Amino acid sequence: DGGITQSPKYLFRKEGQNVTLSCEQNLNHDAMYWYRQDPGQGLRLIYYSQIVNDFQKGDIAEGYSVSREKKESFPLTVTSAQKNPTAFYLCASSEGQGLMNTEAFFGQGTRLTVV
Amino acid sequence: QKEVEQDPGPLSVPEGAIVSLNCTYSNSAFQYFMWYRQYSRKGPELLMYTYSSGNKEDGRFTAQVDKSSKYISLFIRDSQPSDSATYLCAIGETTDSWGKLQFGAGTQVVVTP
Repeated sequence: DGGITQSPKYLFRKEGQNVTLSCEQNLNHDAMYWYRQDPGQGLRLIYYSQIVNDFQKGDIAEGYSVSREKKESFPLTVTSAQKNPTAFYLCASSEGQGLMNTEAFFGQGTRLTVV
Repeated sequence: QKEVEQDPGPLSVPEGAIVSLNCTYSNSAFQYFMWYRQYSRKGPELLMYTYSSGNKEDGRFTAQVDKSSKYISLFIRDSQPSDSATYLCAIGETTDSWGKLQFGAGTQVVVTP
């Protein structure tokens, strides 16, 4: 079964703690993305990676970090510098970067809550 | 001002009715228009996409683009309770990458039996 797997589904973080969200894909896609979804707002891009060992900041990268050591994996770390981390986090991947003739597929999301 | 505006709803309709959803946008360079469906606590899935202006139909779904008004619509005919979800529009320029897409906030749709 090809797809994108995000884990865990639910995650609780204490104040001042770093947490890492996992995203794995077996679609052989080059590009991967992390989005944040908050109520009443559209998806906002945190980071994206076009190829292994390369990634770029999105619109709201502050307080987050990523790595892309393997093609199939793109973990996101939410650091203690992120002041409002409670949100629904979505990982996506696409075969190419362009919108034409390619589609982005989303994982099922991780809901992060600060306790 | 956001580049893409979408009424958050909720939009409640009886089963069998037509659901009408829309988004407005501000950037006249946008040419790629998509609609995603997102069930509660799940990731979005692509429903429809259109390039430039015009209409596109796929089963019970019809997507319309009016570039002169900067307005896009999604219609769902013969709505079913299984259509209850949040519908997101996503818009981009032809030369954009997936990372540059602008998403609407989503409209929650509830179809009652």
